[in-house]
Amino acid sequence: QVQLQESGPGLVKPSQTLSLTCTVSGGSINSGSYFWSWIRQPAGNGLEWIGRVYSNGDTKYNPSVKSRLTISVDTSKNQFSLKLTSVTAADTAVYFCAVSGSLYHFDSWGKGTLVTVSS
Amino acid sequence: EIVMTQSPATLSVSPGERATLSCRASQSFSRHLAWYQQKPGQAPRLLIYGISTRATGIPDRFSGSGSGTEFTLTISSLQSEDFAVYYCQQYFNWPLTFGQGTRLEIK
Repeated sequence: QVQLQESGPGLVKPSQTLSLTCTVSGGSINSGSYFWSWIRQPAGNGLEWIGRVYSNGDTKYNPSVKSRLTISVDTSKNQFSLKLTSVTAADTAVYFCAVSGSLYHFDSWGKGTLVTVSS
Repeated sequence: EIVMTQSPATLSVSPGERATLSCRASQSFSRHLAWYQQKPGQAPRLLIYGISTRATGIPDRFSGSGSGTEFTLTISSLQSEDFAVYYCQQYFNWPLTFGQGTRLEIK
């Protein structure tokens, strides 16, 4: 089964850019069978899907963050990444990467990484 | 956007008893409904997809049902490891959305 691991800074200053990477193991990000998503969870709150990328670079974003979000894929490193610009305290959350098939239920998740937006 | 509303917010049930969790969608759809279990400090785990299909390795005490806008997750005989937060998720339409969760606690 595919395994995922998030990495990136745990602290970002307001107005700056939040950057995270998800490293995929146990399968190829370029297999063509999978879609790669980012999902976040503010402390004590529910889950918000924020966007996904396919191996060819095709993306879908949640309108709630679309103007600030870029998700990209690096097939040579078996990784995909998230960049969220102009962050505020409202972007503080645990960020998960996850994988789905063409039916978008999430079969595997990373363990999650906490990102705090604070000066 | 399809809004998913779960009820109750908290459900108190004794071990060995049945738990019934509800999820209502703001518009009707078929098949594209999943349930997840999340324990503190962990990622969610897929339990059910396609309304009623158990994911790999999920015990048969977990079952899903429903149609249209009303969906249910039933846990037939609660075990100690089942006390957690449960989320429903629709994947019928963009953006993908989750319910706010039901916390299942020990009575």
